Amino acid sequence: AQSVTQPDIHITVSEGASLELRCNYSYGATPYLFWYVQSPGQGLQLLLKYFSGDTLVQGIKGFEAEFKRSQSSFNLRKPSVHWSDAAEYFCALTGGGNKLTFGTGTQLKVEL
Amino acid sequence: DTGVSQDPRHKITKRGQNVTFRCDPISEHNRLYWYRQTLGQGPEFLTYFQNEAQLEKSRLLSDRFSAERPKGSFSTLEIQRTEQGDSAMYLCASSLDRGTYNEQFFGPGTRLTVL
Repeated sequence: AQSVTQPDIHITVSEGASLELRCNYSYGATPYLFWYVQSPGQGLQLLLKYFSGDTLVQGIKGFEAEFKRSQSSFNLRKPSVHWSDAAEYFCALTGGGNKLTFGTGTQLKVEL
Repeated sequence: DTGVSQDPRHKITKRGQNVTFRCDPISEHNRLYWYRQTLGQGPEFLTYFQNEAQLEKSRLLSDRFSAERPKGSFSTLEIQRTEQGDSAMYLCASSLDRGTYNEQFFGPGTRLTVL
């Protein structure tokens, strides 16, 4: 069975500080991995995705993520957080290109 | 904006009532997905359609739930005899089948509250 674990339920960072959100997965092969962001009243927006190739992927809004097969991780990073980044972040995977399996999410709070 | 739309955005109902939600996908997308998101959880897959064919259903989709996509365009999700445990955000997504991974675009969701 496939699963995604996001160990941090809540994270608070100061504006301008760096950010790293953790994601670990369980899957029998190399999955397709994604990070989504969800703001109140909004749908899920795709930040970035990993399919194959370069293990460091760039996304929108200045986010990047690194795939580490040996650690079964796909952590999301941003060098300098903006107040508008406050939202809930979900890591997800799919194996066969159909249904997505999501983690439980990390709520990001940004202190001004 | 020609993104995925869902209607209604909010629904409050009493236990035992039936409710129906609608999803309009991006026009050229042939795949349509339904997910459910409860408080403090990530979205969970319910079912998906390729055109009008329902190809997969999660065991989360009990007999009280039924989804249709009659002409391969919009879809409806009906819940019969609602229970308080059905209170959740119901998300719809659509994608264009390109043979490998098909990026899913999500709608804003329908928030259901069962009293």
